[in-house]
Amino acid sequence: GENVEQHPSTLSVQEGDSAVIKCTYSDSASNYFPWYKQELGKGPQLIIDIRSNVGEKKDQRIAVTLNKTAKHFSLHITETQPEDSAVYFCAASSEEYGNKLVFGAGTILRVKS
Amino acid sequence: NAGVTQTPKFQVLKTGQSMTLQCAQDMNHEYMSWYRQDPGMGLRLIHYSVGAGITDQGEVPNGYNVSRSTTEDFPLRLLSAAPSQTSVYFCASSYRGTGPNEKLFFGSGTQLSVL
Repeated sequence: GENVEQHPSTLSVQEGDSAVIKCTYSDSASNYFPWYKQELGKGPQLIIDIRSNVGEKKDQRIAVTLNKTAKHFSLHITETQPEDSAVYFCAASSEEYGNKLVFGAGTILRVKS
Repeated sequence: NAGVTQTPKFQVLKTGQSMTLQCAQDMNHEYMSWYRQDPGMGLRLIHYSVGAGITDQGEVPNGYNVSRSTTEDFPLRLLSAAPSQTSVYFCASSYRGTGPNEKLFFGSGTQLSVL
C-alpha cells in the first residue's frame, strides 16, 4: 500500500519569510495530492490539491509542486503571517487502492511575529 | 449550513464499554468517512461510505462498526472500547462529483479517552 512521509515535523519561520513542507510517497500509481491545514481544536481544512497531470498549482500565497519522477510534492507558503501557524498534513491517493487517502504525519508550522 | 457536525466533543469510557459517535452533514454529500488522529501518525481511515446503504473498510477498521441508513448520518460504533482506541476521531464528507475521499469537509472532532 501507499506510504507518505512528511518533513519537517516542526518548522519555525519569521513573519514574512517563506515556508516549505515536503512529502514523499511510495506508490507510483498515486494521482491525487491534497494539503490540509488544521488549527488548534478544529478539524482539518483543505487548502490546496493537485493531480498527477499537473506539475504546479498556485492559490494566492500558497503553491504546491509535484515531481512524479522523484515521487515527492511540496507545499510552499510565501509571505507567512501569524494566522498561518497550524498543523499541515499532506496526503496521497490512487484509484488502484480505491482512492483512499493516506496522510503524512503532519508538520507544526509556527510563524513568529 | 452547519457543515459536518460531530457529537459528543469529549467522551471518557471504561474498557469494555460501547458507544456511538455521531456524525451528520447538511451538504447533501454522497461520501462520508471516519478518521482517527493519533500523535505522530497523521489521520488514518477507519471506514467510509459512498452512499446510503454502502460502506467499506479503511486502513484501521478493527473494533469499529458503521452503517449508513440516510445520506445525512454516518455513526461510528465502538463495540467494546479498548485503551488503544483512545484518539481524536474526525468525520468527513465530500461531493460525489469530486470522487471519494477528495476535497473533504471535516467535522470538529471527538476526543475519546478509554481508561
